[in-house]
Amino acid sequence: ETGVTQSPTHLIKTRGQQVTLRCSSQSGHNTVSWYQQALGQGPQFIFQYYREEENGRGNFPPRFSGLQFPNYSSELNVNALELDDSALYLCASSEEGLAGIETQYFGPGTRLLVL
Amino acid sequence: LAKTTQPISMDSYEGQEVNITCSHNNIATNDYITWYQQFPSQGPRFIIQGYKTKVTNEVASLFIPADRKSSTLSLPRVSLSDTAVYYCLVAAGDYKLSFGAGTTVTVRA
Repeated sequence: ETGVTQSPTHLIKTRGQQVTLRCSSQSGHNTVSWYQQALGQGPQFIFQYYREEENGRGNFPPRFSGLQFPNYSSELNVNALELDDSALYLCASSEEGLAGIETQYFGPGTRLLVL
Repeated sequence: LAKTTQPISMDSYEGQEVNITCSHNNIATNDYITWYQQFPSQGPRFIIQGYKTKVTNEVASLFIPADRKSSTLSLPRVSLSDTAVYYCLVAAGDYKLSFGAGTTVTVRA
């Protein structure tokens, strides 16, 4: 069974640029959630995708957008990067998006630094 | 969403039992309680989940009193590798949620 993988592991961007982060979900999982984790804080929910549709969104501006593909992999796109976007971005996959208490399996994260 | 309150940090020694209590006074009827563990520069890892009474697995136990307004994660005989941040989450299958600051557990030799 392949776990959740994310790419790249680290990334440096400058303010105003755009970034795309990628996530491959665990085999058999159809739901992907993205989280932002600033240094010293817990992960904050950005949004969730279930079968290629957005299934909920946290308190993040529209410049944070995402996609889920037919193979359930996902992308997180951030436009007009700001210094405060520097964080660890985590992807988590789970088996169902609409019902039940599914366990989320997290990837190792992408460390983004905005200069 | 039920807000949770945990201690910021706890210290322990190898071989001891560590108990972390999480308060969630506004827990809803259909909410479950889930605990995650996170090591530096890694994603959180599921530890245990429960609804009421006691749940035990190979790594931890979760104690939930009848009123469900708190829960206690118990880590038996901790080792140095159990040093991590532990998060308590309360939700009803809806992961439109965010983690709190968690409890940093430091295990010393």
